[in-house]
Amino acid sequence: AQTVTQSQPEMSVQEAETVTLSCTYDTSESNYYLFWYKQPPSRQMILVIRQEAYKQQNATENRFSVNFQKAAKSFSLKISDSQLGDTAMYFCAFTDAGGTSYGKLTFGQGTILTVHP
Amino acid sequence: GAGVSQSPRYKVAKRGQDVALRCDPISGHVSLFWYQQALGQGPEFLTYFQNEAQLDKSGLPSDRFFAERPEGSVSTLKIQRTQQEDSAVYLCASSLGQGGQPQHFGDGTRLSIL
Repeated sequence: AQTVTQSQPEMSVQEAETVTLSCTYDTSESNYYLFWYKQPPSRQMILVIRQEAYKQQNATENRFSVNFQKAAKSFSLKISDSQLGDTAMYFCAFTDAGGTSYGKLTFGQGTILTVHP
Repeated sequence: GAGVSQSPRYKVAKRGQDVALRCDPISGHVSLFWYQQALGQGPEFLTYFQNEAQLDKSGLPSDRFFAERPEGSVSTLKIQRTQQEDSAVYLCASSLGQGGQPQHFGDGTRLSIL
């Protein structure tokens, strides 16, 4: 079974600064997908970024980028130029690319990020 | 276009009552997932539908939990004889297909059992 671990329960950052959230995972699969989702107090889970395991290039989406280290099974999220609206719970999630998982997500425990003005 | 819609947003029930939670996915999305999220935790998978077929129900915690998607669009999660440990946020997500397709989530239903 796959597991996802986020070792930072809470993080804080000053507005306009950069912050990195950590995530490690364990799997025996060779092809899979990794995601970062953001969940503000409104509860809606919003996709931040997606990484395909067979792609060596790290995914980027505007101010958000990942550092994907496949051998180390590490998938960290870097947020540049932090904004007050980035305050939320961030979840790392995993799914394998086929078989009988059907794409169901395994989530980490989450990291609460607070951006201070 | 419209996103995933869930209703009700909040539900309070007495222990032992039956509840039904509704999910209206994005039009054309084949895959539909239900997750349960305890307070301060990450969501946990409950069940998966591909169109009207329930292909995976391995995450349902007991036989009191039942889900259906009879016409391949709207889905209902039903919990019979509710217990206090059923209190959680229930999230529905839909996607175009399987595998690594991004899942789009609704706002969830917060269920409180008294």
